[in-house]
Amino acid sequence: KAGVTQTPRYLIKTRGQQVTLSCSPISGHRSVSWYQQTPGQGLQFLFEYFSETQRNKGNFPGRFSGRQFSNSRSEMNVSTLELGDSALYLCASRTATSGANVLTFGAGSRLTVL
Amino acid sequence: DAKTTQPPSMDCAEGRAANLPCNHSTISGNEYVYWYRQIHSQGPQYIIHGLKNNETNEMASLIITEDRKSSTLILPHATLRDTAVYYCIVRVCTHGSGNTGKLIFGQGTTLQVKP
Repeated sequence: KAGVTQTPRYLIKTRGQQVTLSCSPISGHRSVSWYQQTPGQGLQFLFEYFSETQRNKGNFPGRFSGRQFSNSRSEMNVSTLELGDSALYLCASRTATSGANVLTFGAGSRLTVL
Repeated sequence: DAKTTQPPSMDCAEGRAANLPCNHSTISGNEYVYWYRQIHSQGPQYIIHGLKNNETNEMASLIITEDRKSSTLILPHATLRDTAVYYCIVRVCTHGSGNTGKLIFGQGTTLQVKP
């Protein structure tokens, strides 16, 4: 069974640009969550999607957005990049009906903003 | 969610049991204890969770005190590959529409397994 797949694994952007990250959940998992990990703030919840609807949102500015498609794949977008957006962005999927809070994480997309 | 307190770092000799403590003195009756770990440069990995009874799976054992104010994750025979940051998370466990994928991670315990 394939795990959670995130693309790209590494990317470099400059301030002011935007970036789109992709996440393919485990087959049959309909919920996708996104997290940001930085050395200073640790792992922080960004948002969660289920059945193409955002169900939960963390405390991040509106520059951070996401969406989910009908096949449960998800994307997150960060616009007007700032240096502080440099981080490891992690995607996690889970089933919605069982295993509450048992998430399977991908390997992450490491974003560097110059 | 109840706050958790973990030691910032611990060492363990390879082959010995690693016992990672977690304090959660404000835990409420419907909150579960979850453990995840993160090996360097990888995503976090679920290990185990429990409510009040001790739990064991192929990866680890979870011992929760009777008053539920603290717990211990036990890796019975630590290997070098168990070197990681271990996170203890307390969270309500709901199913159905109330279910959520939001976890609040603290700083965790960095476990260093030494040869």
